[in-house]
Amino acid sequence: ILNVEQSPQSLHVQEGDSTNFTCSFPSSNFYALHWYRWETAKSPEALFVMTLNGDEKKKGRISATLNTKEGYSYLYIKGSQPEDSATYLCAFMTRGSTLGRLYFGRGTQLTVWP
Amino acid sequence: GAGVSQSPSNKVTEKGKDVELRCDPISGHTALYWYRQSLGQGLEFLIYFQGNSAPDKSGLPSDRFSAERTGGSVSTLTIQRTQQEDSAVYLCASSLDRGGREQFFGPGTRLTVL
Repeated sequence: ILNVEQSPQSLHVQEGDSTNFTCSFPSSNFYALHWYRWETAKSPEALFVMTLNGDEKKKGRISATLNTKEGYSYLYIKGSQPEDSATYLCAFMTRGSTLGRLYFGRGTQLTVWP
Repeated sequence: GAGVSQSPSNKVTEKGKDVELRCDPISGHTALYWYRQSLGQGLEFLIYFQGNSAPDKSGLPSDRFSAERTGGSVSTLTIQRTQQEDSAVYLCASSLDRGGREQFFGPGTRLTVL
């Protein structure tokens, strides 16, 4: 079983604050790194799929970076809003026989207070 | 178009009974995945199907769990002789292929085994 670590486990911020989370994964046999947002009572929704070392992706106020050599990815939220409150999951995919299988971290639960 | 659908949304059953959970993926998606999230745990991979290839069953926790995908579309996850530890939210996801593309998740089935 491949270990994907996310930190912090939970985070409470005020509206307007910027924040970031970390995802650590094994650096060998890297294929892809996914970020998902999971709001309460909804389905997980893909934010980014990243495949190349040094990748930077952005969607509105949310961005992510990827370092495959050292095995980490950061997710940034600029100017957090209450609607950003959700659990943010990262998931890692390896090459080889397990290609297609995502290994998820436990997530970072973000609460943004108005 | 329609997203991934799952049924039932909630299922309460007695210990020892069999249950069937259904997933209807997005049309044209060749890859289909089952995950579960037990209380306090991260998303756990169970099984995935890719086209006509043999499914990757390596995540199924015991031989009481089985899944099939008929006609490359709808999938059914069957749990025989349910146990209390099977209580979880069971999520289905589909993607265009298994090659690291984003996965689209259904709303999940919350299974409670009394």
